Amino acid sequence: QVQLQESGPGLVKPSETLSLTCTVSGDSISRYYWSWIRQPPGKGLEWIGYIYYSGSTNYNPSLKSRVTMSVDTSKNQFSLKLSSVTAADTAVYYCARPRRDAFSRDAFDIWGQGTIVTVSS
Amino acid sequence: EIVMTQSPATLSVSPGERATLSCRASQSVSSNLAWYQQKPGQAPRLLIYDASTRATGIPARFTGSGSGTEFTLTISSLQSEDFAVYYCQQYNGWPTPTFGGGTKVEIK
Repeated sequence: QVQLQESGPGLVKPSETLSLTCTVSGDSISRYYWSWIRQPPGKGLEWIGYIYYSGSTNYNPSLKSRVTMSVDTSKNQFSLKLSSVTAADTAVYYCARPRRDAFSRDAFDIWGQGTIVTVSS
Repeated sequence: EIVMTQSPATLSVSPGERATLSCRASQSVSSNLAWYQQKPGQAPRLLIYDASTRATGIPARFTGSGSGTEFTLTISSLQSEDFAVYYCQQYNGWPTPTFGGGTKVEIK
């Protein structure tokens, strides 16, 4: 049974960098394009970007200048960094896996439980 | 970017009744469309992919249809556990997958 678990600080100060990690259990990270998706309070879902185990990435153009993703295959983890955060970055952050391996564009069938990140001084 | 528009924003339905949710894409996404259900405090759950294929474990009362730019999710007989927010998502457009704004299905 594949499980994803997000971890990281729940509170980040404005202008600083948000850092989150997603730990994958029950499957190898070396098969899928792993995504980060966020949801501001009371609002809809926004795809942030994906990373492949090789390190190949693709980011949402609206966030591209501030996003960095990385992968650690030895720990079966991938990470998100979002720089220069503002209150508008306050959201629940999810990591997610697409339905098919080696497909960069697909529906997401496995989600982490989500972690709330608040940007506030 | 492909814009996904869902309607209505809120749908009030009595238990046992049928619910019909719509999703429109700003340009064709072929059949590369998914539907998700989200309950408060939970992550989205995949219901439908490829516009009309139910995901593993999804009851037959959930039916997806459409292609191109017009899509529908039908819940044939609403159960208490079906009251939630539903999102559509396209995965045809490059470089980003995009989600609709959601339809909240509430008890009438």
